[in-house]
Amino acid sequence: GENVEQHPSTLSVQEGDSAVIKCTYSDSASNYFPWYKQELGKRPQLIIDIRSNVGEKKDQRIAVTLNKTAKHFSLHITETQPEDSAVYFCAASRVNNNDMRFGAGTRLTVKP
Amino acid sequence: GAGVSQSPSNKVTEKGKDVELRCDPISGHTALYWYRQSLGQGLEFLIYFQGNSAPDKSGLPSDRFSAERTGGSVSTLTIQRTQQEDSAVYLCASSLAGATHNEQFFGPGTRLTVL
Repeated sequence: GENVEQHPSTLSVQEGDSAVIKCTYSDSASNYFPWYKQELGKRPQLIIDIRSNVGEKKDQRIAVTLNKTAKHFSLHITETQPEDSAVYFCAASRVNNNDMRFGAGTRLTVKP
Repeated sequence: GAGVSQSPSNKVTEKGKDVELRCDPISGHTALYWYRQSLGQGLEFLIYFQGNSAPDKSGLPSDRFSAERTGGSVSTLTIQRTQQEDSAVYLCASSLAGATHNEQFFGPGTRLTVL
């Protein structure tokens, strides 16, 4: 089955700086890569996703990049704000196959 | 519309007792997942149901853990002879099979404390 690894496990940045979280996956057939954000005491929620037919996707201050050859994908947050502080999870699966596996998570702290 | 719901929200039990956790997925979602999240840790996959197919139980940590999904809707996760290391938040999620993307919608979780 799919195995997803995520780095770093913790990340601390100054407000306004950029943050990058990286994930690798093992199943070359995976073609759907979502990112979830979990604020303290709340449930994980989808913030952005990318499918393998594109290499990059942006939504305001967040972007995801995908390198299928190397089997890795990354989340980029620019101009970080304190409300970006949360745990971020990457995941991988095949579209229309709901067997999705998550990375271990990255705890992002944005210091004001 | 209604999201994924879980009950109870909190459960405190004594070591050795059995517990049942319930998940009500979003209506029409055929995929249902259970995860365990220990304090400050990531999402540990436990079990996955997809329609009428045999569930993927590869994440269950021991034979004390089992889960059922009746009628393709409600699911219960049962932990027998609970141990202190079972203390965690148990999250349920559902997703719509055959969708153009597989967004999982999470429930609020059940916080289990084993004394």
